[in-house]
Amino acid sequence: DVKVTQSSRYLVKRTGEKVFLECVQDMDHENMFWYRQDPGLGLRLIYFSYDVKMKEKGDIPEGYSVSREKKERFSLILESASTNQTSMYLCASSFKGYSNTEAFFGQGTRLTVV
Amino acid sequence: AQSVTQLGSHVSVSEGALVLLRCNYSSSVPPYLFWYVQYPNQGLQLLLKYTSAATLVKGINGFEAEFKKSETSFHLTKPSAHMSDAAEYFCAVSDRLDDKIIFGKGTRLHILP
Repeated sequence: DVKVTQSSRYLVKRTGEKVFLECVQDMDHENMFWYRQDPGLGLRLIYFSYDVKMKEKGDIPEGYSVSREKKERFSLILESASTNQTSMYLCASSFKGYSNTEAFFGQGTRLTVV
Repeated sequence: AQSVTQLGSHVSVSEGALVLLRCNYSSSVPPYLFWYVQYPNQGLQLLLKYTSAATLVKGINGFEAEFKKSETSFHLTKPSAHMSDAAEYFCAVSDRLDDKIIFGKGTRLHILP
């Protein structure tokens, strides 16, 4: 079974803190994604990585950065957390170059910024 | 740019009735299309996918979807709703130019007893 593991299910952070959300996949997938899920807005793509050290901005990259130093790990970084970044964050992975293969998702991290 | 529109943020059906969740896509090239389901407090799970092999796609839990190019639609159906189908459903599109997957805003399905 494909497994995408997010390091925390729930996080509470203070405004201005630097926040790291970690994601690990065990299927040797080249692609990894970070989405943000908000009620009524669905899933919005923050960043996409298609290889180690490679990344592309998604639809809402402002206030976020990412790191992909190893193939299996993709980190989302909030440089200075703000209350409007309170949300559910979902990590996913898929094979590269096969757009017909689906993305596999982690369980999500619910982040609250106070 | 590719995009997906899901009509109806909430849909209610009676147990045993037909389920119809609507999805229209926009893509400059023939797309790949997906339906995902999310149960409360869980991640997303793939229901089914269209990859151009057949226009009628069958998925898990009795769901199916039909790709209609002329209508740019990929509606999800199930003949008879079950209480366990209550969840949020997301339509998604991926074009053949890159591997990004773009999601719609979701439809929450309520099943009435």
